[in-house]
Amino acid sequence: DTEVTQTPKHLVMGMTNKKSLKCEQHMGHRAMYWYKQKAKKPPELMFVYSYEKLSINESVPSRFSPECPNSSLLNLHLHALQPEDSALYLCASSWEGDYNEQFFGPGTRLTVL
Amino acid sequence: SQELEQSPQSLIVQEGKNLTINCTSSKTLYGLYWYKQKYGEGLIFLMMLQKGGEEKSHEKITAKLDEKKQQSSLHITASQPSHAGIYLCGAPGSSNTGKLIFGQGTTLQVKP
Repeated sequence: DTEVTQTPKHLVMGMTNKKSLKCEQHMGHRAMYWYKQKAKKPPELMFVYSYEKLSINESVPSRFSPECPNSSLLNLHLHALQPEDSALYLCASSWEGDYNEQFFGPGTRLTVL
Repeated sequence: SQELEQSPQSLIVQEGKNLTINCTSSKTLYGLYWYKQKYGEGLIFLMMLQKGGEEKSHEKITAKLDEKKQQSSLHITASQPSHAGIYLCGAPGSSNTGKLIFGQGTTLQVKP
């Protein structure tokens, strides 16, 4: 199984809502990533988890809260988002370290009203 | 910090034509990834190059890494409509963190 799955595919939420994005992989990868991609821009790294511990937080606002409950799952909890947070959120996984390809999920298209 | 610049930004070619996309780094390249993305979808891994002078091919796509020029090129031979999409180059942003930084992308349209 070389697939990274993400749910939901689309999400519309208000600025006062709390929602979560889910990502799952069964490749045995111990590194998992959240990226944010705005229209016509490249993906930008948000968080990196390594062996279920947060290793990189790219100065992401606290209204985004990542969680890695186990080695196969990665969540992104959303609370009090702003309309400018509307974007495609991509999850990826890989083996540890550099020079290992990251496998990307299909993304969640988030719209904040 | 490292920056990757891709050229051209967009490209329209007639089906059957060859094309080349370039990715130039502001710092020494120790490795480079090429991904393809359909609009609004996830990234599909194409190739990874690690050594200067390395060249890899997959079907009709060939990528090369020129370490001295801090550049990689992606060449598509006899383009097909299925090659259309956004091509992104990526490189490790800092040592052993898994962090990837990406170029701005090259949008390719292939006219039948």
